[in-house]
Amino acid sequence: GAGVSQSPSNKVTEKGKDVELRCDPISGHTALYWYRQRLGQGLEFLIYFQGNSAPDKSGLPSDRFSAERTGESVSTLTIQRTQQEDSAVYLCASSLEAGIFGNTIYFGEGSWLTVV
Amino acid sequence: EDQVTQSPEALRLQEGESSSLNCSYTVSGLRGLFWYRQDPGKGPEFLFTLYSAGEEKEKERLKATLTKKESFLHITAPKPEDSATYLCAVQVDAGNMLTFGGGTRLMVKP
Repeated sequence: GAGVSQSPSNKVTEKGKDVELRCDPISGHTALYWYRQRLGQGLEFLIYFQGNSAPDKSGLPSDRFSAERTGESVSTLTIQRTQQEDSAVYLCASSLEAGIFGNTIYFGEGSWLTVV
Repeated sequence: EDQVTQSPEALRLQEGESSSLNCSYTVSGLRGLFWYRQDPGKGPEFLFTLYSAGEEKEKERLKATLTKKESFLHITAPKPEDSATYLCAVQVDAGNMLTFGGGTRLMVKP
């Protein structure tokens, strides 16, 4: 596609339920990132994938959060047993190759998660 | 620990009133400094990447500059449509992710 695509755009879930958020990166982009943005705050890094290398999970806030990526395509961020503090926008981004001089990181429109 | 601080947190300008936004950073080995624009309810939109001190880039009414400790986003004769949150982020040699500042919320009144 032309840009990074995320779904759902909005999700309301009950506390304790699991949610899955999906990201389709720009075609040909080998690097994929997940960020979280709470209301009125900056972006927090969660996880990134580079090709078939082991993902960098250093930003995941707890073991309730996990993410997968199939090859160099779609990624899914899963939040288990959701809590109210998980309410935020979850932003996905992609780039041609992580760490390469001159690459640009493009963001999707985000998935707005509200836990009630 | 890498740190990025943006100031001011919020800035109100009259249309045509030029100003600058600041992004100061403390990192070990800067690979690149990125500026993004974010409109309410939208994802960040890429503006510029700067790689070395002294570098400048321009786009319409925006000009970004970089020193060894900070970056400035200069807005010349802003228009109401420039109202948005401007985000600064750094990418360092030791990692690949972007570390973001808290953003500056710019409001331009007609």
